[in-house]
Amino acid sequence: DGGITQSPKYLFRKEGQNVTLSCEQNLNHDAMYWYRQDPGQGLRLIYYSQIVNDFQKGDIAEGYSVSREKKESFPLTVTSAQKNPTAFYLCASSPQGASYEQYFGPGTRLTVT
Amino acid sequence: DQQVKQNSPSLSVQEGRISILNCDYTNSMFDYFLWYKKYPAEGPTFLISISSIKDKNEDGRFTVFLNKSAKHLSLHIVPSQPGDSAVYFCAAKRSNDYKLSFGAGTTVTVRA
Repeated sequence: DGGITQSPKYLFRKEGQNVTLSCEQNLNHDAMYWYRQDPGQGLRLIYYSQIVNDFQKGDIAEGYSVSREKKESFPLTVTSAQKNPTAFYLCASSPQGASYEQYFGPGTRLTVT
Repeated sequence: DQQVKQNSPSLSVQEGRISILNCDYTNSMFDYFLWYKKYPAEGPTFLISISSIKDKNEDGRFTVFLNKSAKHLSLHIVPSQPGDSAVYFCAAKRSNDYKLSFGAGTTVTVRA
């Protein structure tokens, strides 16, 4: 049963703490992505990775960091430098090459107080 | 600078009638367009797409129309069903780019 898993579904942290969100896929996709969704806004790209050991900043990368050590995994760290970290975070993946659709995980709701 | 815009934040339609969702884009380099459907607290799921070489693509109850000269696309859902109540996102990309640009979404409510 292939798909993308994100854990946990809900995450609570105190301000000033770094937190890492998990994303795993077993679709054998080369490309992976992290988006953030805020109320009334579309999905905004944080980081993406086209291949293992390589990643690029998206439109709102400040205050975030990623790693891509394995094809299946693309964890996102929300650092204390991120000014407004409370949001719904979505991970996605897509095959390499001509495929256009991105497949999304169920998301993680992060609340920082 | 938002390159994909969905100017109607919400739409209410009676069950069995047509739902029409609109989307405008500003980047003339976009040549592939997608619609995603999203339920609360879940990830978006791919619904339908269209390439810029076409002006219409149909899949069951869902049809997407593309007007390149107006930089406008629309999604028609006929007939609307209660399970169609969700947020619909329009997205666009260039075919040689991995990045998708999303609109803000339109919340569709189908009334019984």
